[in-house]
Amino acid sequence: RKEVEQDPGPFNVPEGATVAFNCTYSNSASQSFFWYRQDCRKEPKLLMSVYSSGNEDGRFTAQLNRASQYISLLIRDSKLSDSATYLCVVNIRATGSWGKFQFGAGTQVVVTP
Amino acid sequence: NAGVTQTPKFQVLKTGQSMTLQCAQDMNHNSMYWYRQDPGMGLRLIYYSASEGTTDKGEVPNGYNVSRLNKREFSLRLESAAPSQTSVYFCATRGSGQTEQYFGPGTRLTVT
Repeated sequence: RKEVEQDPGPFNVPEGATVAFNCTYSNSASQSFFWYRQDCRKEPKLLMSVYSSGNEDGRFTAQLNRASQYISLLIRDSKLSDSATYLCVVNIRATGSWGKFQFGAGTQVVVTP
Repeated sequence: NAGVTQTPKFQVLKTGQSMTLQCAQDMNHNSMYWYRQDPGMGLRLIYYSASEGTTDKGEVPNGYNVSRLNKREFSLRLESAAPSQTSVYFCATRGSGQTEQYFGPGTRLTVT
């Protein structure tokens, strides 16, 4: 079983609509959570960190559910420029170690006119 | 500031050839990482360096070696390339006290 799992999609979203998707993680020692955005054949770029209380950055809202071990990302008022693959990243910090980043394989979002 | 740079951008090797992928950062970060990304899989850690002169194996280190000669540069060497090493390679950095990573533009490697 993968340590970080995502629905690969694609999620086909009309422009202006809302899309949401989840990421599940298996290691309860996970401490930090992130959403990265990756455009085709480009490097991942940090979209937002995910905080315990949930957080919002413009049209993007991230939530963390530690009990069920998943994080979510919601995109409101989707723009064509939101088309990308969204990577879920989890940092697992073991005692005395630097912590380990685990990456999901990504969820593809395609926003259509 | 260039951030994180990688060279080359593209490379085609024949099986058994060797090459070194270069990564440099001007962010004054201590931690540097090498990942590979394959279709349908998340990024997988090859090697990690917490600081100049130190390196640790990641999830998939076999067939690779690394060198962290100074704070800025972290290189990845393939001694005898195999088709299974066809992938996109990303270098990343992380600053002390920071939790997020910053990635270079990647090297697309094909081994025939």
